[in-house]
Amino acid sequence: GDSVTQMEGPVTLSEEAFLTINCTYTATGYPSLFWYVQYPGEGLQLLLKATKADDKGSNKGFEATYRKETTSFHLEKGSVQVSDSAVYFCALSVRETSGSRLTFGEGTQLTVNP
Amino acid sequence: ETGVTQTPRHLVMGMTNKKSLKCEQHLGHNAMYWYKQSAKKPLELMFVYSLEERVENNSVPSRFSPECPNSSHLFLHLHTLQPEDSALYLCASSQTRGASMGNTIYFGEGSWLTVV
Repeated sequence: GDSVTQMEGPVTLSEEAFLTINCTYTATGYPSLFWYVQYPGEGLQLLLKATKADDKGSNKGFEATYRKETTSFHLEKGSVQVSDSAVYFCALSVRETSGSRLTFGEGTQLTVNP
Repeated sequence: ETGVTQTPRHLVMGMTNKKSLKCEQHLGHNAMYWYKQSAKKPLELMFVYSLEERVENNSVPSRFSPECPNSSHLFLHLHTLQPEDSALYLCASSQTRGASMGNTIYFGEGSWLTVV
C-alpha cells in the first residue's frame, strides 16, 4: 500500500538556521506530493505541492522538489523564523487508485528559538 | 481562515453521552472528509462524501456516524465513545473527490474531543 515516512522529530533550531525535513514515500501509482503545516491550535494548511517528477513546490520561503528516482520530497527553508514553529506533514495522493485519500506521514514537530 | 469552519472547537463528553461535531464549508466544494488525528499517529481518513453521498468508510466503528445533509455541511455524530477516541477531528473539503492534480484539500481547524 501507499505510505509516507518522515524524519522523526522534534526538531529544534535557532532562528535563521537552515531547515531540512526529510520525506520519502512508497506508492502503487504516480503520486502527487504535498506538505501541510499545522500551527498550534489550528487545523492543517496546505504549504506546497508538486504533481510530477522534478516539479518544485514553493511557498513562504519553503521548497520541496519531487524526486522520483529517490522517492523523496524533502522540505527545505534557508532561514527559519520563530513563526515557523509548527508540525509539518508530508502527504501523497495517487491519481489512478486511491484518489479519494491523502496518505500522511506522522508529522514532524519544528520549534524555532529566538 | 480556510473557508472550512468546525464547531465546537473543544468538546468533553462522557462515555454514555451523545454529541455531534459540525463542519461547514464556504468554498462551493463537492467533496467533504472527516479525519482523525491522534497523538503520535498519522492522520487517519474516516469518511469521504462526494456530492452528499458517502463514498468511503475506512472501517470506522459504528459509534461514529457521519451525516451530510447537503454539500456545504457535514456532521459527525458521536455516541458511547471510548477514552481512546479522544483526538483532534479534522473536517476537510475539496472541489472534487481526491487530492491530486491541483484539487487541493482544505482543512478546518479541528474539534478537540476528550472522552472521559
